[in-house]
Amino acid sequence: DTAVSQTPKYLVTQMGNDKSIKCEQNLGHDTMYWYKQDSKKFLKIMFSYNNKELIINETVPNRFSPKSPDKAHLNLHINSLELGDSAVYFCASSLTSISISEQFFGPGTRLTVL
Amino acid sequence: SQQGEEDPQALSIQEGENATMNCSYKTSINNLQWYRQNSGRGLVHLILIRSNEREKHSGRLRVTLDTSKKSSSLLITASRAADTASYFCATTNNAGNMLTFGGGTRLMVKP
Repeated sequence: DTAVSQTPKYLVTQMGNDKSIKCEQNLGHDTMYWYKQDSKKFLKIMFSYNNKELIINETVPNRFSPKSPDKAHLNLHINSLELGDSAVYFCASSLTSISISEQFFGPGTRLTVL
Repeated sequence: SQQGEEDPQALSIQEGENATMNCSYKTSINNLQWYRQNSGRGLVHLILIRSNEREKHSGRLRVTLDTSKKSSSLLITASRAADTASYFCATTNNAGNMLTFGGGTRLMVKP
């Protein structure tokens, strides 16, 4: 069984559209994350949620809105997509939000904005 | 800017050789972790070393940490073609609630 899953795996869309990426973890972890990996492979944290509550928001534009309906799910909605949003987005989870020992990553969603 | 920076950015070796990757960081840390990313995949945790540890082993992996120099190294011994991947170091801040990744080292192991 997949520990951290994301859908879709690929997303191609036009500038200005709104899209969502879904993430689910079946590890029973309390904390979930969204990361953005750019074309140069730099991986940057966007958000962190602990038990459905936002704990980290790393200066991400308001067009990005994470939603955590329960601690096993963390979805990412993006409004008014821009060319610069093209990247691979990774969801991850960890047991707790304190003294992070290991993060488990999903397979990634490759977003291409045309 | 990235907290961790890896060196070299790319490394190409023959199967059987050892691969050494270095990571430097800027601020004090709770722990340092190494991850591997195969092409088109998510990151996979390899090993964690705490700020009060100097060396750690896991199978063919050896990690060192020098907090005075704010640097770490990852040594993969007897490399295999399957080790071909990007390797990232990541540091946990003192509060322990955020992981910051370096730019990664792309390792190619030729059969």
